[in-house]
Amino acid sequence: GAVVSQHPSRVICKSGTSVKIECRSLDFQATTMFWYRQFPKKSLMLMATSNEGSKATYEQGVEKDKFLINHASLTLSTLTVTSAHPEDSSFYICSARRGDGANVLTFGAGSRLTVL
Amino acid sequence: GNSVTQMEGPVTLSEEAFLTINCTYTATGYPSLFWYVQYPGEGLQLLLKATKADDKGSNKGFEATYRKETTSFHLEKGSVQVSDSAVYFCALSVLTSNTGKLIFGQGTTLQVKP
Repeated sequence: GAVVSQHPSRVICKSGTSVKIECRSLDFQATTMFWYRQFPKKSLMLMATSNEGSKATYEQGVEKDKFLINHASLTLSTLTVTSAHPEDSSFYICSARRGDGANVLTFGAGSRLTVL
Repeated sequence: GNSVTQMEGPVTLSEEAFLTINCTYTATGYPSLFWYVQYPGEGLQLLLKATKADDKGSNKGFEATYRKETTSFHLEKGSVQVSDSAVYFCALSVLTSNTGKLIFGQGTTLQVKP
C-alpha cells in the first residue's frame, strides 16, 4: 500500500533556528502534497498545498516566509520553519495524493516540533 | 464558512460496548464527508467516507450516514474492541477536484478497556 514517511518524527530546537521537516512518498509518485498543523486538542489546520515543480499555495493567515515549502520531486516535499519561536511548537502532518487519478490521500505519521 | 464539530473526548468504553462519536458540519455547497482514524504513532488513515446525502460509509464494523437534514455524520460501531483505541477525526471536503483540502474536526480520543 501507499506509504508516506515524515522525518524527523520529533525535533527540539532553540529559538531563532530553522528546522526542516521532510515528507516522502515511499512507493508512489505524489503530484500534490499537503501540510497540516495540529495544536493540542485542536483540529488539523491546512497550511499549504504543494505541487511538484511549482510554488506552494498557502492558506489564509499562514506566513509563507515563515513556513517555506519546497516540492522538488514527485516523492519529496519539505517544510522549513524559519527562525522558529516557541509559538511555532506544534505537530506538523503531511499528506500526499497519488498522481494516477485515484485521488487517494495518504498521511504521514507527523512531526512534533518543540521550540525552546 | 466551512467547519466540523466533534464531540469532546476522551470517550472511554468497555470492550463490546456500542460506540457513537457525534460529528456535525457547516458547509457551503455539497461536501463529501470522511472519518479518519489515527492509531498511536501512526499517520491518519481513511476509515470511511460518503459523498452525497443519505450515503452510508462503512468499514471494519464502523458506519456513518450522511444526514443532510441534520448536517451530521455520526460514527457508530456496534461492538468495540481494545484495538479500536485511537483518535478519530471527522472531516469534510467541498472541492471535488481536490479532496486533499480537508477541514477537520478536533478529533475524539477513544479508549477501549478490556
